[in-house]
Amino acid sequence: AQKVTQAQTEISVVEKEDVTLDCVYETRDTTYYLFWYKQPPSGELVFLIRRNSFDEQNEISGRYSWNFQKSTSSFNFTITASQVVDSAVYFCALSEDLYNFNKFYFGSGTKLNVKP
Amino acid sequence: DGGITQSPKYLFRKEGQNVTLSCEQNLNHDAMYWYRQDPGQGLRLIYYSQIVNDFQKGDIAEGYSVSREKKESFPLTVTSAQKNPTAFYLCASSIGGFSFRGLAKNIQYFGAGTRLSVL
Repeated sequence: AQKVTQAQTEISVVEKEDVTLDCVYETRDTTYYLFWYKQPPSGELVFLIRRNSFDEQNEISGRYSWNFQKSTSSFNFTITASQVVDSAVYFCALSEDLYNFNKFYFGSGTKLNVKP
Repeated sequence: DGGITQSPKYLFRKEGQNVTLSCEQNLNHDAMYWYRQDPGQGLRLIYYSQIVNDFQKGDIAEGYSVSREKKESFPLTVTSAQKNPTAFYLCASSIGGFSFRGLAKNIQYFGAGTRLSVL
């Protein structure tokens, strides 16, 4: 079973539109960690945020915000007033506390196209 | 500047040939990882190393080999046994590979990747 599901394969928006990227995860552990990474066309994955399972507060960083809801096992990512530079593939990842190493489960990614 | 350097950026493999992808980090991280990324898919773990002179197989280790003789280096060899090697390969590192319940998971930092193709 997939541990992290990103159902949106590709999204296209026009600059200045708001866009939300969905992430649904599955785990039996009570302690776990969720991450978002950005992969621009250059290929390198850039870390955006880490959240632990005990902190359900939403987080805002500039135009980026994250909505963590344990009740629905979701960790969605919203970009406000999108810009062309936001065009990239975005990955959501889960890490559980079950293992004695830092194993990440990645979703399949959502490709965001922001058109001018 | 601290970071992870992968080389080469592009690599071509001939039939029956072994090729080695380089990964070097100057972040003083204990743990290092190799991932494979296929088009439209997420990352899959090939091998990981939590400490020097130790490494473990990930989810798709067949046809690959690694070594960890130095803390800063974790090269990946794609052997001729890997029948479908064409992919984008990403190396990552994190502060510590070991995790104990209750402690924060460590962020993985990534290199720029190597794109491997078959001639």
